[in-house]
Amino acid sequence: EAAVTQSPRNKVTVTGGNVTLSCRQTNSHNYMYWYRQDTGHGLRLIHYSYGAGNLQIGDVPDGYKATRTTQEDFFLLLELASPSQTSLYFCASSDAGGWNTEVFFGKGTRLTVV
Amino acid sequence: GEQVEQLPSILRVQEGSSASINCSYEDSASNYFPWYKQEPGENPKLIIDIRSNMERKQIQELIVLLDKKAKRFSLHITDTQPGDSAMYFCAASYTGYQNFYFGKGTSLTVIP
Repeated sequence: EAAVTQSPRNKVTVTGGNVTLSCRQTNSHNYMYWYRQDTGHGLRLIHYSYGAGNLQIGDVPDGYKATRTTQEDFFLLLELASPSQTSLYFCASSDAGGWNTEVFFGKGTRLTVV
Repeated sequence: GEQVEQLPSILRVQEGSSASINCSYEDSASNYFPWYKQEPGENPKLIIDIRSNMERKQIQELIVLLDKKAKRFSLHITDTQPGDSAMYFCAASYTGYQNFYFGKGTSLTVIP
């Protein structure tokens, strides 16, 4: 089965802190995504990428940066964390962008900003 | 981008009965509609999908219906079991998109 691995699985940081969430996929997929999941809002797309060095803005990008260093690795950066960024973050990958293809999700990172 | 509305947000059914979740979309260009199931503490996983050249698809107890004119699609789970208790997400996309647009999710509880 396709594999998407996120680290850390849990993280607590202080307001104003610097956080990096890591994601690695071993599926040879072109597309990678960062979502946040919040009660009442479902899955919201933060950033995505269709290849190393590429970055696309999602629907809720404010306060987040991302970087795709290789085909396998996609990072989400919170440089000045705020309590509103407390959430469950999912990384995902897919072979193609939006047609007839399964999105494979990682196990998630629960981030708490205190 | 596309907007996907999903209802209801919470659904409770008796074991053995059917459960239905409805989604609507705005962009008539959308042509691929997957459904994901997220069990408690787990990541979402694809359970069934339907393409715009189909009106109905069934995999075991899961039935998906698509009405392109009304821009609606739905998931029906027949003979529900406690193991069907989970969060369900619908999504829409099309070849021109580079990502998927998810509904806000439905929390399904099957009561034994």
